[in-house]
Amino acid sequence: EVQLVESGGGLVQPGGSLRLSCAASGFTFSRYWMSWVRQAPGKGLEWVANIKKDGSEKYYVDSVKGRFTISRDNAKNSLYLQMNSLRAEDTAVYYCARETEDYQIWSGYGCWGQGTLVTVSS
Amino acid sequence: DIVLTQSPDSLAVSLGERATINCKSSQSVLYSSNNKNYLAWYQQKPGQPPKLLIYWASTRESGVTDRFSGSGSGTDFTLTINSLQAEDVAVYYCQQYYYAPLTFGGGTKVEIK
Repeated sequence: EVQLVESGGGLVQPGGSLRLSCAASGFTFSRYWMSWVRQAPGKGLEWVANIKKDGSEKYYVDSVKGRFTISRDNAKNSLYLQMNSLRAEDTAVYYCARETEDYQIWSGYGCWGQGTLVTVSS
Repeated sequence: DIVLTQSPDSLAVSLGERATINCKSSQSVLYSSNNKNYLAWYQQKPGQPPKLLIYWASTRESGVTDRFSGSGSGTDFTLTINSLQAEDVAVYYCQQYYYAPLTFGGGTKVEIK
């Protein structure tokens, strides 16, 4: 069974840091681009970042550039999001997502984790 | 950045009737070299992650009922839900993956009339 399980969320003060993890199973992790997507409470979906199969390319939404870093460890079947200089507007459920096709660069997210909540508040 | 504008924001449809959701892109998401539209549709129910319904604008994801269909090309796209069922109550999002930053539409809430 294809599965993505996020962890690492929690309450953090403004200016603080958190590292999210996503454990993948049930598929060959190294064959897929992977992404982080977030959803603020009661709001819509916002794409945050993605990373190429081998980690050699990364893209970010402007609002997190310079503060967030996406990375992966294919040997551990894991995806990460290092979040620094956190702001109140970063409060959201963060989802790990996998492309639906492995032979395309991007193709839509056919697999999602259940999400982990990040709350930035003093 | 590509902006996706969904309409309407919400709609109420009677059971068994058709629901139509529109998604307009600020620029074309049709890649001419492969003639593919880089657009997907998702369904999200409360407390759950999104679920992929349609990708490449009209390809139904495996396991998705054929009551859901996608159409359109270039900048104008439509998600159609035929014979609306109670379990279709959800928020629906379009997404472009033509280039980064990937973007989502604002969502359309579908309810039963």
